[in-house]
Amino acid sequence: DAGVIQSPRHEVTEMGQEVTLRCKPISGHDYLFWYRQTMMRGLELLIYFNNNVPIDDSGMPEDRFSAKMPNASFSTLKIQPSEPRDSAVYFCASSFYGEPNEQFFGPGTRLTVL
Amino acid sequence: KQEVTQIPAALSVPEGENLVLNCSFTDSAIYNLQWFRQDPGKGLTSLLLIQSSQREQTSGRLNASLDKSSGRSTLYIAASQPGDSATYLCAVTTSSASKIIFGSGTRLSIRP
Repeated sequence: DAGVIQSPRHEVTEMGQEVTLRCKPISGHDYLFWYRQTMMRGLELLIYFNNNVPIDDSGMPEDRFSAKMPNASFSTLKIQPSEPRDSAVYFCASSFYGEPNEQFFGPGTRLTVL
Repeated sequence: KQEVTQIPAALSVPEGENLVLNCSFTDSAIYNLQWFRQDPGKGLTSLLLIQSSQREQTSGRLNASLDKSSGRSTLYIAASQPGDSATYLCAVTTSSASKIIFGSGTRLSIRP
C-alpha cells in the first residue's frame, strides 16, 4: 500500500483565495483525520470521519473551513476565503476500526497564504 | 480539559548515550498513549502505543513507560544514534477512543 496520500505537497496562495487540500486514506481504513500543525499551537485535530461521516468537527477553527468525505477513498479540506493565519502544515491520517488510535499519517501539505 | 506537556522542548546529546524523553498529561482518564517521531518536512510515524492497562512497551532500542496515576510517560532511547535525530511527540487518546491530543514535542539532536 502507498500509505496516506496528500496533495498538493505545497500550496502558495494569496489571501482571499479558495484552497482545497486532498487526501486519499489507506485502503480499508474507515477513520480519517485532518490535523493542522503550526509552531505556535503544535498539532491540532480539526475534524475526523468514521465511515465517511463527520464525527467530531469541534476543532475546525471557523466557518471558513469545511471538510468532506464523499467516499471511502477521498477527502477534502477547503478553506474559503483563506487568510495568512491559515498558513500551516495540514496532515491527513487514517486508521482502522480495530485500532482507531493507530493512525497512519500522510506527508502533509504545507500551505502558505500571502 | 486534557493537556499534554513535553519537557524539554529541545535536547542535544552525543552519540551512544542513553536518554529519556518526558511527557506529562493532566487527566489520567486516558484510553492509550502513543509516542510518535516526526522528521523535518515529513509526517508522523507511530513508534509505540501503550494501552491504559499496560505499564510499558518496547521496540528495539525504544522503551516507553506509562504511569497513569501520576500522569506521566517516558520514552527511553538506548545507545542513541545520529539517525535518531527528529522531533518526538507524545499523544494521549481520551476515553472517547478516537480523539488524540498531542504534546508540543521534544526536538532531539544526536551529535556524532
